[in-house]
Amino acid sequence: KAGVTQTPRYLIKTRGQQVTLSCSPISGHRSVSWYQQTPGQGLQFLFEYFSETQRNKGNFPGRFSGRQFSNSRSEMNVSTLELGDSALYLCASSPPTGDTEAFFGQGTRLTVV
Amino acid sequence: KQEVTQIPAALSVPEGENLVLNCSFTDSAIYNLQWFRQDPGKGLTSLLLIQSSQREQTSGRLNASLDKSSGRSTLYIAASQPGDSATYLCAGPLTGRRALTFGSGTRLQVQP
Repeated sequence: KAGVTQTPRYLIKTRGQQVTLSCSPISGHRSVSWYQQTPGQGLQFLFEYFSETQRNKGNFPGRFSGRQFSNSRSEMNVSTLELGDSALYLCASSPPTGDTEAFFGQGTRLTVV
Repeated sequence: KQEVTQIPAALSVPEGENLVLNCSFTDSAIYNLQWFRQDPGKGLTSLLLIQSSQREQTSGRLNASLDKSSGRSTLYIAASQPGDSATYLCAGPLTGRRALTFGSGTRLQVQP
């Protein structure tokens, strides 16, 4: 069974631009969560989607948004990029019921210059 | 607010040693606890999940325990190998939520 797939793996963007990251969960998983990892703040929760609805949201500004499609694939968008948005963005998928084991993708490394 | 702390922050051991990584959390409402491994620049690999009804879980040379009453979890690695070198992270969601709160990790270096 294929794992969680994130594209692209690497991105370089300029301050002020916007960026869209994509995540395809494990087949059958309907919950997709996004996390930001930086050296200073560690891993922080951004948001979680389940059946195309945002179910949980972390403490990030409104420039960070996401959505989920009917096939459970999810996208994350960051508008008006700032230097501090440079990070590894990780996506995780979880089974629809039962325990909440999370399976992570390889991440997208975003560099804002 | 859930806070997760991992001690030590870094650890260097010779190959073959048995070692223990510690994880403590402030909110006993933690639903379950998951241990991950992260290699530099890579994503997270799930190692073990301890569900709320369990006290420990084993996979190969790894054993993880969970004591919700004391707010602690430990990851025991037996007979460490250079390939075990990585950052180990613990994380758990609060009951009813899927958002994981992560510790800052323990960076492990196993010397050949």
